[in-house]
Amino acid sequence: EPEVTQTPSHQVTQMGQEVILRCVPISNHLYFYWYRQILGQKVEFLVSFYNNEISEKSEIFDDQFSVERPDGSNFTLKIRSTKLEDSAMYFCASNRDRAYEQYFGPGTRLTVT
Amino acid sequence: AQSVSQHNHHVILSEAASLELGCNYSYGGTVNLFWYVQYPGQHLQLLLKYFSGDPLVKGIKGFEAEFIKSKFSFNLRKPSVQWSDTAEYFCAVNSRDSNYQLIWGAGTKLIIKP
Repeated sequence: EPEVTQTPSHQVTQMGQEVILRCVPISNHLYFYWYRQILGQKVEFLVSFYNNEISEKSEIFDDQFSVERPDGSNFTLKIRSTKLEDSAMYFCASNRDRAYEQYFGPGTRLTVT
Repeated sequence: AQSVSQHNHHVILSEAASLELGCNYSYGGTVNLFWYVQYPGQHLQLLLKYFSGDPLVKGIKGFEAEFIKSKFSFNLRKPSVQWSDTAEYFCAVNSRDSNYQLIWGAGTKLIIKP
């Protein structure tokens, strides 16, 4: 069964550094998403992406964040200058139709020191 | 703004006990409803979903949920839990009016004692 994959599984970075989190959505899916979950808190929507552009973004998704689909398979989340409060689990998800269930990757645990 | 409430943050049960996890949402229009599960060390997986039709939906691993529109609820149930059901359970909602942005509950950590 096809799965969403994410790399790396754990990323440790220093405050102020740039990080790129990578995702490979399911191949015939058209909508892509990033979520984050700070330890002990709710899953929070960051951004959705369709047809090579952002379709929705939350207030969390400020100028420090960007997303890109650099080729036909990868979907990346870049944080330009990480802050301590960016430490969280970041989940990528995808679906064929935005109304339907989303399929999630295993997550990347980002630790900012 | 839409919101989702899961009232039980931690639930501890013994094996074979019956389970009901509450989920309420705050939107009056047409919604799609989901329960996701996250087993320890694993990613979020869909347990079941409701889009339309029979309000009692059956999911994987013996779980079911009932959509009660008048109560804005979508409670998750299982008649007899197993130790392997230990996980965190998330209720989520989307709707056309919110451009299908998935709104999440806070999650319920379920621990099953063997």
